Amino acid sequence: LAKTTQPISMDSYEGQEVNITCSHNNIATNDYITWYQQFPSQGPRFIIQGYKTKVTNEVASLFIPADRKSSTLSLPRVSLSDTAVYYCLVGGTGTASKLTFGTGTRLQVTL
Amino acid sequence: NAGVTQTPKFRVLKTGQSMTLLCAQDMNHEYMYWYRQDPGMGLRLIHYSVGEGTTAKGEVPDGYNVSRLKKQNFLLGLESAAPSQTSVYFCASSYTQGKNIQYFGAGTRLSVL
Repeated sequence: LAKTTQPISMDSYEGQEVNITCSHNNIATNDYITWYQQFPSQGPRFIIQGYKTKVTNEVASLFIPADRKSSTLSLPRVSLSDTAVYYCLVGGTGTASKLTFGTGTRLQVTL
Repeated sequence: NAGVTQTPKFRVLKTGQSMTLLCAQDMNHEYMYWYRQDPGMGLRLIHYSVGEGTTAKGEVPDGYNVSRLKKQNFLLGLESAAPSQTSVYFCASSYTQGKNIQYFGAGTRLSVL
């Protein structure tokens, strides 16, 4: 079971780049790393997913080192609307019964 | 494009009452999940299904039952509600559990008095 560890909270000013790191020392060979965003009173929303190296989409980048024991979600130029809880999830085939979102990282963006 | 729809959005029960939460998805996903989220905590997996007619236990299955009679629907039942089951319940679905990209519903807020 690849348990994940993230900072409980982070603060940022609008316009800054935010990097949230997730540790997953016991990641398995077939595990993917997936990040979700959750606003209050809403279900989590998929942001980005990767297996190794770097992945970029229109909202974020995901950096994964060669050993895959950690990953970093990068949010460029955050705005107030990026205030949310961000979850790092590690899992693959056969691990559905062990999927845990943890407590996530609460990001607060201010002016 | 509805995605994942949960019914009802809110419900108040008395201890001992029963109810069923309905989750419907229109994306032809094989996998479906039920989670609960308590204040200030992450999501915990209750039960999941890897296909029509199949269900399996997650991290916190006690006090809940599920059924997946149709591919698009996943029902979560509480036979005898307890105050400890006061929570927000989320349903999710995914194409393949391997890559684990899940799509979530808006949630059902349940209070058990």
